[in-house]
Amino acid sequence: GAVVSQHPSWVICKSGTSVKIECRSLDFQATTMFWYRQFPKQSLMLMATSNEGSKATYEQGVEKDKFLINHASLTLSTLTVTSAHPEDSSFYICSALRRDRTPTGELFFGEGSRLTVL
Amino acid sequence: AQTVTQSQPEMSVQEAETVTLSCTYDTSESDYYLFWYKQPPSRQMILVIRQEAYKQQNATENRFSVNFQKAAKSFSLKISDSQLGDAAMYFCAYRSTGNQFYFGTGTSLTVIP
Repeated sequence: GAVVSQHPSWVICKSGTSVKIECRSLDFQATTMFWYRQFPKQSLMLMATSNEGSKATYEQGVEKDKFLINHASLTLSTLTVTSAHPEDSSFYICSALRRDRTPTGELFFGEGSRLTVL
Repeated sequence: AQTVTQSQPEMSVQEAETVTLSCTYDTSESDYYLFWYKQPPSRQMILVIRQEAYKQQNATENRFSVNFQKAAKSFSLKISDSQLGDAAMYFCAYRSTGNQFYFGTGTSLTVIP
């Protein structure tokens, strides 16, 4: 199976600081990576879609200046939460589409990152 | 936009018994893909089963099978011989030809020993 690694799995930061979360596809190239936010006992809320080498497409209501997404290569996407505040505390999940399995392939998910902003 | 509906927020099943989780979706597309994902307490999303809309045959993966009714836009998951490790949140997902994924609100499954 394809492996997506997300790091860090848990991060605590002070209000006003920035936090970067990395998402790597370890054994495949990802055409597209998705970033989700998940509140307790709720579904995944899509934040943005990123394609390698191009700007991310943000969902309505997601502040692109607060949640910076960079998809620098076919195996790495990063989410930076800038000037984090307690309301940004959440579980963030990345997922990836395999380049060699579109259009029928499923999403492969990272382990998720729990962000706590004090 | 496509919508995915899971009408059962919570379900429970006795160990070794069978349980069916419901999922309906709304779409105008003819080609698409459907998935069931499992999210255990570790919160790692795991693919359970996949169904291509153009296939009439229902997908099966060991103890997991689906009942895909394309005309009714229904995609239920049946778990046979339920095990304690099956306890998790289950999400139904729809993938469009445009590479967009839509998730249901999830069903929390409890397995009773």
